[in-house]
Amino acid sequence: EAQVTQNPRYLITVTGKKLTVTCSQNMNHEYMSWYRQDPGLGLRQIYYSMNVEVTDKGDVPEGYKVSRKEKRNFPLILESPSPNQTSLYFCASSRTRDEQFFGPGTRLTVL
Amino acid sequence: RKEVEQDPGPFNVPEGATVAFNCTYSNSASQSFFWYRQDCRKEPKLLMSVYSSGNEDGRFTAQLNRASQYISLLIRDSKLSDSATYLCVVRGGGSYIPTFGRGTSLIVHP
Repeated sequence: EAQVTQNPRYLITVTGKKLTVTCSQNMNHEYMSWYRQDPGLGLRQIYYSMNVEVTDKGDVPEGYKVSRKEKRNFPLILESPSPNQTSLYFCASSRTRDEQFFGPGTRLTVL
Repeated sequence: RKEVEQDPGPFNVPEGATVAFNCTYSNSASQSFFWYRQDCRKEPKLLMSVYSSGNEDGRFTAQLNRASQYISLLIRDSKLSDSATYLCVVRGGGSYIPTFGRGTSLIVHP
C-alpha cells in the first residue's frame, strides 16, 4: 500500500529536549516536505527536499532542521523545542512538486 | 492582502444541495492550483487539480479564472460524507513552496 508514515503520532515533551519526528514514504517520490498546521493559520511549509542531499527552507524554517540521506526518509529535527513549536506536523511526498501525499500527522506539545 | 484567501464558512447545506466555494490568490504568476480535502484531525488529501480548462470529477467541478485570480469548487448533490474542510492550494511559477488557504468548512446535514 502506497503511504507516508510518521512517528511518533503524538508527543508531549519539555522545552529544550531535542526530538526527531521520522517520516518515510514507499512511493519512490523525489519530493518531500514538512508542514505545520496551526489554528487560524493554515498549513505552512517548514522545509522541503527535491532529492537525496538536497533540502531547502520553506516559509517557517526557524527552529527546525531536516536531512535527506535516503530517498524514502525525511526526518524533522527540533534541536531545542520551545512552546511556540506546539503544533500539528505533516510530512508529505510527491512525484512532482505538486499533488502531494500527506502522512497522518504528528501532534506535538512542548511544555 | 493574504496570498490565498478562502471564506472559512461553515457552509451548512442539506443533502442533495449544490454548493460552491471560491478561493482568491494574489500572485498573478501562480501556475498550479489544487483543491484538497481535510477531515477533522486528519491529513489533507488531494481532491483535484485545477486546470485552465477546468476539471470535472463526478459531482465535483473545479474552475480557474485567471483574469479575476480565483479558483472555484462546485459540489453537486452533496452527501453527508462531503462534510470536511476544503483547502485551496496555489503555487507560483518557479516556486517550490505551495501556499495553502486556511480552508472552507462544509457541513452537510440530513
